[in-house]
Amino acid sequence: DAGVIQSPRHEVTEMGQEVTLRCKPISGHDYLFWYRQTMMRGLELLIYFNNNVPIDDSGMPEDRFSAKMPNASFSTLKIQPSEPRDSAVYFCASSPRGERQTEAFFGQGTRLTVV
Amino acid sequence: GNSVTQMEGPVTLSEEAFLTINCTYTATGYPSLFWYVQYPGEGLQLLLKATKADDKGSNKGFEATYRKETTSFHLEKGSVQVSDSAVYFCALNRVAAGNKLTFGGGTRVLVKP
Repeated sequence: DAGVIQSPRHEVTEMGQEVTLRCKPISGHDYLFWYRQTMMRGLELLIYFNNNVPIDDSGMPEDRFSAKMPNASFSTLKIQPSEPRDSAVYFCASSPRGERQTEAFFGQGTRLTVV
Repeated sequence: GNSVTQMEGPVTLSEEAFLTINCTYTATGYPSLFWYVQYPGEGLQLLLKATKADDKGSNKGFEATYRKETTSFHLEKGSVQVSDSAVYFCALNRVAAGNKLTFGGGTRVLVKP
């Protein structure tokens, strides 16, 4: 398997523009997670899905952020409108269902810069 | 709630030195514990894990033992290399918490030749 695939790797956009980040999880994984990484706040869980259903979106910073998972092989994280403080690296991760806890597999991340 | 605390960095070492990164956790029930590593410009990679008390995870010369009595999962390596320079994250998850990972703040390690 190619692992978790995120696109784009880098995104530079102007304040106020809409940004869409994309993620393809590992085939067969039931869980999908979106994380944000910044120097100030470290790694933050934004939202996660189980079998395409959002389970916990309490980490989504505000209404400008939304995430969807229309099918088992694709998810998007959208920011509209974007602001400079949204600049960060956004990671997508997936994990399989298991009787015991299993690790998450991370994508390479999308580095977002909002100017 | 669940939380993970790890020592702040940066940690600067010479090649072949001994490395320890402390990690303690707070969680209800029986979490699994993980160490992830992030090399510059890359995503997080699983380094090792332990799923129950007294388990020892090991990989690439790194080791960590799940200590329930001290709620700790300290990472150790006996002889570091320049290529070990990275950020290391301690994490836990629980099935009852939806399998989501709770991360520590990360520890940057710099190994000098």
